[in-house]
Amino acid sequence: DIQLTQSPSSLSAVVGDRVTITCRAGQTVRGYLNWYQHKPGKAPSLLIYGASQLYRGVPSRFSGSESGTVFTLTITALQPEDFATYYCQQGLSDVTFGGGTKVEVK
Amino acid sequence: QVYLVQSGAEVKKPGASVKLSCKASGYPFTSYVIQWVRQAPGETFETVGWINGDSGNANSAQKFRGRVTITRDTSASTMYMELSSLRSEDTAVYYCARIGVCGSYPCLDYWGQGTLVTVSS
Repeated sequence: DIQLTQSPSSLSAVVGDRVTITCRAGQTVRGYLNWYQHKPGKAPSLLIYGASQLYRGVPSRFSGSESGTVFTLTITALQPEDFATYYCQQGLSDVTFGGGTKVEVK
Repeated sequence: QVYLVQSGAEVKKPGASVKLSCKASGYPFTSYVIQWVRQAPGETFETVGWINGDSGNANSAQKFRGRVTITRDTSASTMYMELSSLRSEDTAVYYCARIGVCGSYPCLDYWGQGTLVTVSS
């Protein structure tokens, strides 16, 4: 299995902050990296696919980037509805997820 | 609109089996693969297995081989996931999710609402 290591595991922020989450893959995933948002009691929702492509309907304050095996999810100007847990997921070889990053209110 | 509607919560004793369902609507049922993943309390998501809606070919993650059976009923547009020999560590929320194609990449674009399975004596 391809291992994905997310950091940090949690962070505290206020509305308006710029938030950056990192996902490191144990080997190349050739851009087959997606990001999801998950809120308690709800199904996860897709934010970013192919490392940097914004899924339809997702606000443009979300963006993704890739540098080798390191992937980044950035939220510019955090909004109240963005407090949630974020997961990266690779789809090159089966499906595995990172450990998650919980974005909490500071 | 695409929907994946899962069956309700289950409480099982250790050693028992549980069979969950995932009914699809709003898209050609046989055109997509459905992934089953689970999330134990405080943990990340973990793949249980998957099934091709067209061929019915199914597979499971190595960890679950021998304990999980994934099937489909095309006439009912429904997928099933049965997990046997349950233990407390199987307590989790189980999700079905559609593997869509986003650009040229596979993505989990639609998810069921999740089914809580509690294993307790």
